[in-house]
Amino acid sequence: EVQLVESGGGLVQPGGSLRLSCAASGFTFSSYEMNWVRQAPGKGLEWVSYISSGGSSTYYADSVKGRFTFSRDNAKNSLALQMNSLRGEDTAVYYCVREGHGDLFDYWGQGTLVTVSS
Amino acid sequence: QAVLTQPSSLSASPGASASLTCTLRSGINVGTYMIYWYQHKPGSPPHFLLRYKSDSDKQQGSGVPSRFSGSKDASANAGILLISGLQSEDEADYYCMIWYSSAWVFGGGTKLTVL
Repeated sequence: EVQLVESGGGLVQPGGSLRLSCAASGFTFSSYEMNWVRQAPGKGLEWVSYISSGGSSTYYADSVKGRFTFSRDNAKNSLALQMNSLRGEDTAVYYCVREGHGDLFDYWGQGTLVTVSS
Repeated sequence: QAVLTQPSSLSASPGASASLTCTLRSGINVGTYMIYWYQHKPGSPPHFLLRYKSDSDKQQGSGVPSRFSGSKDASANAGILLISGLQSEDEADYYCMIWYSSAWVFGGGTKLTVL
């Protein structure tokens, strides 16, 4: 069974940093591209970042470019999203998402809440 | 102007059909893009429904009923998610998505009410 489990969310002050993790299991992790998608309270879905299966290629939404870094460790079946210079508008539930065959987002974690507030 | 525009809400009766539109920004040709559709209910992660580029290039999500289907309206430069035989369980938020300019882009979502 495919499982994606996020962790690391919490309350952080504006300007602070937070590191989200995602533990993957139930599939050949190193064969799949992965993404982070977030949803701010009362808002729609927003794609955050993408990483290739080997980790050599990453893409970011303009809203987080230069502040967030997406990485993976295929030996440990894990992902990390390093978030720096956090702003109030980064407050959201962050989902770890597998990009399956056909480039579709076929499995989602349950999400972890990040709150940026003083 | 947003890359993808969806109506914020739509209401329809049980048993009826609902057509959810996803309009691409002027200058972005709908014919070129694969459009992905997701369903999102409160308290659960989003769920992939289907992807549609053309009648010969489309894919239904695993376990997604055939009453969910995709199409395009080239004259409106829009992708369409058609839900027929509406059921109360179809009440949810629906999002379209494309890969554009090295980024995944979601539409703002349509809240579908079945009443």
